[in-house]
Amino acid sequence: GIQVEQSPPDLILQEGANSTLRCNFSDSVNNLQWFHQNPWGQLINLFYIPSGTKQNGRLSATTVATERYSLLYISSSQTTDSGVYFCAGYSANAGGTSYGKLTFGQGTILTVHP
Amino acid sequence: KAGVTQTPRYLIKTRGQQVTLSCSPISGHRSVSWYQQTPGQGLQFLFEYFSETQRNKGNFPGRFSGRQFSNSRSEMNVSTLELGDSALYLCASSSNRGVGGYTFGSGTRLTVV
Repeated sequence: GIQVEQSPPDLILQEGANSTLRCNFSDSVNNLQWFHQNPWGQLINLFYIPSGTKQNGRLSATTVATERYSLLYISSSQTTDSGVYFCAGYSANAGGTSYGKLTFGQGTILTVHP
Repeated sequence: KAGVTQTPRYLIKTRGQQVTLSCSPISGHRSVSWYQQTPGQGLQFLFEYFSETQRNKGNFPGRFSGRQFSNSRSEMNVSTLELGDSALYLCASSSNRGVGGYTFGSGTRLTVV
């Protein structure tokens, strides 16, 4: 299966700062998504972004599928942005054996101080 | 529209018992996947069901099983619980091939004592 590497593993910011989270994949992926896990454990879908760039308020994401990486940008961070950010996808080359089988990175733990 | 609903939210079981968790997908979604999250192993894929058929399975022992009903609701069962089964269990639903992404429920936090 594919390997997913996220960086940095931990990130501490002051409120108002900007940040970039990165996700590298060992192989071509389908269905690349970014999630934010809230303190209660729920994975909140931030972006479904197999390729290209999307923006949603202070958050934006870019996926360069040909180079197997994706970036999540957080601008003007707020304390409510704290939590764990995951990227996930499944192999584009595994055909039907990959359905539903998202592989997750280990996550980036973001802490935003007031 | 309603999101993915998982019940119960919290569960405490004794080693050796069995447990059944439930997941109701978003209306119209026919694919349901299950994941286990632990501090040591992160998020790991358990299995995926589509139209009542298991299409994909992760590397978990046979004590972990699941099924899907005709209304796309899914259940997972863990028999002969072990302390190491303590985890957050998450389910996700999507369209057939995940186009548009997967939506996760709030999870069931299982504690085995």
